[in-house]
Amino acid sequence: GAGVSQTPSNKVTEKGKYVELRCDPISGHTALYWYRQSLGQGPEFLIYFQGTGAADDSGLPNDRFFAVRPEGSVSTLKIQRTERGDSAVYLCASSYLQGTGELFFGEGSRLTVL
Amino acid sequence: GENVEQHPSTLSVQEGDSAVIKCTYSDSASNYFPWYKQELGKRPQLIIDIRSNVGEKKDQRIAVTLNKTAKHFSLHITETQPEDSAVYFCAVLPEGYALNFGKGTSLLVTP
Repeated sequence: GAGVSQTPSNKVTEKGKYVELRCDPISGHTALYWYRQSLGQGPEFLIYFQGTGAADDSGLPNDRFFAVRPEGSVSTLKIQRTERGDSAVYLCASSYLQGTGELFFGEGSRLTVL
Repeated sequence: GENVEQHPSTLSVQEGDSAVIKCTYSDSASNYFPWYKQELGKRPQLIIDIRSNVGEKKDQRIAVTLNKTAKHFSLHITETQPEDSAVYFCAVLPEGYALNFGKGTSLLVTP
């Protein structure tokens, strides 16, 4: 597709469950980023990949959060033992190269933990 | 990480007036300063950006100014229109890291 694609667009789960959020970046973009956005706040950095490797995962809040990008394209953000405080919109973005310019964002995955 | 402060958090202007949003940052090694616009329920989209070797950049009604010495940069929107109403985020790219965003400014342009 032409843009960054994220699935699911909405996810409602119960406290303690495991969730996976998927991101399909723009073809040819080597850098992929995950951000989390709570209501009324700016995007909060979680992790970014340059190719297949996580170049910086310093934004992951704790070890319940993990992300992979095994083939350097699609990425999955995994959240274990979800908590109500994990509720937010999870935004994925990609860019041609890290640090060179515009991030192209997906529409986000809205996660609600009951 | 990089500390990005954005002001004001809300801004209301009359159609045709100018709007100014300011951001400050802490890491003097930062070299890229974009502004994103996010309409309600939509994704953030880049509207203008500036790099550290330039002091000002303009694109039609939108301009960004950068003061590297003082570590602040501003977004200027002239002749505002109702469709400019949205949340605007500044961001800073520390060298070797990912973009850090400000908390956002909710701009309302009233007819």
